[in-house]
Amino acid sequence: QSVLTQPPSVSGAPGQRVTISCTGSSSNIGAGYGVHWYQQLPGTAPKLLIHGNDKRPSGVPDRFSGSKSGTSASLAITGLQAEDEADYYCQSYDSSLTALVFGGGTKLTVL
Amino acid sequence: EVQLVESGGGLVQPGGSLRLSCAASGFTFSNDVMRWVRQAPGKGLEWVSSIFDSGGRTYYADSVKGRFTISTDNSKNTLFLQMNSLRAEDTAVYYCARTFGSDHYFGLWGRGTLVTVSS
Repeated sequence: QSVLTQPPSVSGAPGQRVTISCTGSSSNIGAGYGVHWYQQLPGTAPKLLIHGNDKRPSGVPDRFSGSKSGTSASLAITGLQAEDEADYYCQSYDSSLTALVFGGGTKLTVL
Repeated sequence: EVQLVESGGGLVQPGGSLRLSCAASGFTFSNDVMRWVRQAPGKGLEWVSSIFDSGGRTYYADSVKGRFTISTDNSKNTLFLQMNSLRAEDTAVYYCARTFGSDHYFGLWGRGTLVTVSS
């Protein structure tokens, strides 16, 4: 069981908007630690999408956005494209475990 | 070009040992925080180990504590992971990664090296 909880899968049609949730607790997201998001295309290493809850590295399209509230965070993808089909992971720090923790991952299918 | 390249993976029997390497180029990591993250086949990401201050501080996931050792050779800009007493559940792709900021996000990843523990 992952410390951060994500839905196993989400799907959407091209052009639509999807959101992926990441639920934590008072020892990680709720404690104020930043939430980061990664995209992993099949057979490749993860790639940073969002850091510090809502900051996009250069080169990441503005179709990707992040938000955080309380003990949860969300990744939103607008204008869904076929190349967005991938696994998405959230990550934070947990003070009880004194460890970096990941969500279990969400597989995005573009219909 | 800034990149990380892992090597050293392979097939090893349960109870055996393996040493992974991660060569960094395009930057000097002696002052950076470097980490290992693994991904079992078909599974999610798991943080394994971290090294701060060129070895001044090291941290390990409970699942590998006492069996794995992280280290660096700053003269060669290389990160290592010595893995002993390997178990079947250690089978995974091992990524080395560089984290940034006080929030410790993984901003640079290697391509990974596969470790298979099987008889």
